[in-house]
Amino acid sequence: QVQLVESGGGVVQPGGSLRLSCATSGFNFTNYAFHWVRQAPGKGLQWVTFIRHDGTDKYYADSVKGRFTISKDNSKNTIYLQMSSLRVEDTALYYCAKGDSDWGQGTLVTVSS
Amino acid sequence: QSALAQPPSASGTPGQRVTISCSGSTSNIGTHPVSWYFQPPGTAPKLLIYNNNQRPSGVPDRISGSKSGTSASLGISGLRSEDEGDYYCAAWDNGPNAWMFGGGTKLTVL
Repeated sequence: QVQLVESGGGVVQPGGSLRLSCATSGFNFTNYAFHWVRQAPGKGLQWVTFIRHDGTDKYYADSVKGRFTISKDNSKNTIYLQMSSLRVEDTALYYCAKGDSDWGQGTLVTVSS
Repeated sequence: QSALAQPPSASGTPGQRVTISCSGSTSNIGTHPVSWYFQPPGTAPKLLIYNNNQRPSGVPDRISGSKSGTSASLGISGLRSEDEGDYYCAAWDNGPNAWMFGGGTKLTVL
């Protein structure tokens, strides 16, 4: 069955960096686009970034543009989110999503001094 | 980027039908298909409706979706206590090239 498993979250100081991973299985990875979506504590869902199935197009929310980078490794069936210049307001549970259908369980990022 | 507009809360008694609305614009709902997600407390979102009115396998037919112009709605009939949680609509937006979400509707089964 389809599985998406996020990892790499943790506690980081403002200005720091973190790389999230989303390991996938159960489907043909190269056929699908992916999103990262985050949810701050007690808040709603906020889209972060998108990558097309072939990696040719990438889009970012204004709030993370220039600081976050999405990538995919077809050999590992894995999506990555490189986050730098992290801010307190980036604190959230980060989900990866396969298209608009399947979601992982999320990985928690806490930015705090 | 602004979210799609949803009512913050909705409620109903067991067995009733409730409807949750989602209002957007020509660059998102007016152009692209709408998805709906259900998020029970403490869990990840789960797809309820895709392509405006299609149910993934496993979603019961008491769940329905519709779209007209720049608005969409989710219908839940035969309300059950396990339907309590947060509901989100989503659609791609050509303007900012972003996946827009509604602010979420918290459904309470009285």
